Amino acid sequence: QSVLTQPPSASGTPGQRVTISCSGSSSNIRNNYVYWYQQLPGTAPKLLICGNNQRPSGVPDRFSGSKSGTSASLAISGLRAEDEADYYCATWEDSLSGRVFGGGTKLTVL
Amino acid sequence: QVQLQESGPGLVKPSETLSLTCTVSGGSVSSGAYLWSWIRQPPGKGLEWIGYVSYSGSTNYNPSLKSRVTISLDTSKNQFSLKLTSVTAADTAVYYCARDAPRGNYYSLDFWGQGTLFTVSS
Repeated sequence: QSVLTQPPSASGTPGQRVTISCSGSSSNIRNNYVYWYQQLPGTAPKLLICGNNQRPSGVPDRFSGSKSGTSASLAISGLRAEDEADYYCATWEDSLSGRVFGGGTKLTVL
Repeated sequence: QVQLQESGPGLVKPSETLSLTCTVSGGSVSSGAYLWSWIRQPPGKGLEWIGYVSYSGSTNYNPSLKSRVTISLDTSKNQFSLKLTSVTAADTAVYYCARDAPRGNYYSLDFWGQGTLFTVSS
């Protein structure tokens, strides 16, 4: 049971905009930065969004992150076939003094 | 470009100790401010943070694993390692090492190893 709650699946058609939610609490998301990772099949996770809404160098601006209160969202615009992957949110959990991940969302491009 | 590579035995018996090493190239584990982390992913499941060691050797572990985990640094070999004692089938997972880099006032797991599958089986 993950501390952060994500929908298990999401889907969209090429060119569409999709959002993936991440729900937490006052001991994690509210007071800490949120990160998003993309995991393509059979590969290691890749940092997609850091500091709630910052894109590391090389990440397309089709990917954007936001945070409000105890929830965060990842938005992908102009959906492409290569975006089909698992997406994980992460943050710091104050009560554990450690990092926590969401359960992951499998994005399917129809 | 920093690269990380995990290594270690892929199979151990229940109650034994898992020992994995992460070799870092393109950067130094003794460089100030970085944290060197381990994360695992059971087959078909999500990610679980195990813990990290800092450049100075200080550590922080997931409370659920703390009693069984040791993460340490070997600056002479530019490596860091993970030891997990008394393993059970629940410890079967792909184990990733990663660099946790400072970006302003927060840290990000920005470079990851490719991961290594570790199986517990008799």
